[in-house]
Amino acid sequence: EVQLVESGGGLIQPGGSLRLSCVASGFTVSSNYMTWVRQAPGKGPEWVSVIYSGGNTYYADSVKGRFTISRDNSKNTVYLQMNNLRAEDTAVYYCARGDAPPGHYYYYMDVWGKGTTVTVSS
Amino acid sequence: DLVMTQSPLSLPVTPGEPASISCRSSQSLLYSNGYNYLDWYLQKPGQSPQLLIYLGSNRASGVPDRFSGSGSGTDFTLKISRVEAEDVGTYYCMEALQIPYSFGPGTKLEIK
Repeated sequence: EVQLVESGGGLIQPGGSLRLSCVASGFTVSSNYMTWVRQAPGKGPEWVSVIYSGGNTYYADSVKGRFTISRDNSKNTVYLQMNNLRAEDTAVYYCARGDAPPGHYYYYMDVWGKGTTVTVSS
Repeated sequence: DLVMTQSPLSLPVTPGEPASISCRSSQSLLYSNGYNYLDWYLQKPGQSPQLLIYLGSNRASGVPDRFSGSGSGTDFTLKISRVEAEDVGTYYCMEALQIPYSFGPGTKLEIK
């Protein structure tokens, strides 16, 4: 079964750090565009970061310089290292698999995890 | 960044009736290959978002054929031919042309 399971969320003080993990099963993370999307309470989803199959990484401006996406192919796991956390980073963080239709410079997110909650508060 | 807007933001619908959601982008999502890089997602209450439509008009695997997507450039529409109780949730359009991808504000569909 194709599945994503996130973990690592919790309550953290402003300025603190957390590392989120996303364990994949049923497919290989290194073959897909693995994405983190977050959703603040009562708000819509916000795209956060992606790691391409080739290893390129991209970030939303709101997290650039503070968050780092990476993957461990041997563990079929994607990570999101979050540093210097702010109150506005409070959200449910979803991991999603990005798949690209053949011949397209584009990907859609067809598999999502259930999310892990990050709360930044003193 | 691209800015996505949706209307209406709230949509009460009687079961069996059709529903339509509009999505507009601040820039054209029509890529040079002739495809529109616009997706639709549904987030049911208490669940993660799920892919409904990709490339503007292609239903994702397992999506009922009562859902259809249309449009090109900056204006797109998601239609549900006959709304069912299980369609309740918030519908988001999302541009996938430029990173960072941008979601619309969402349209909350409720059953009358």
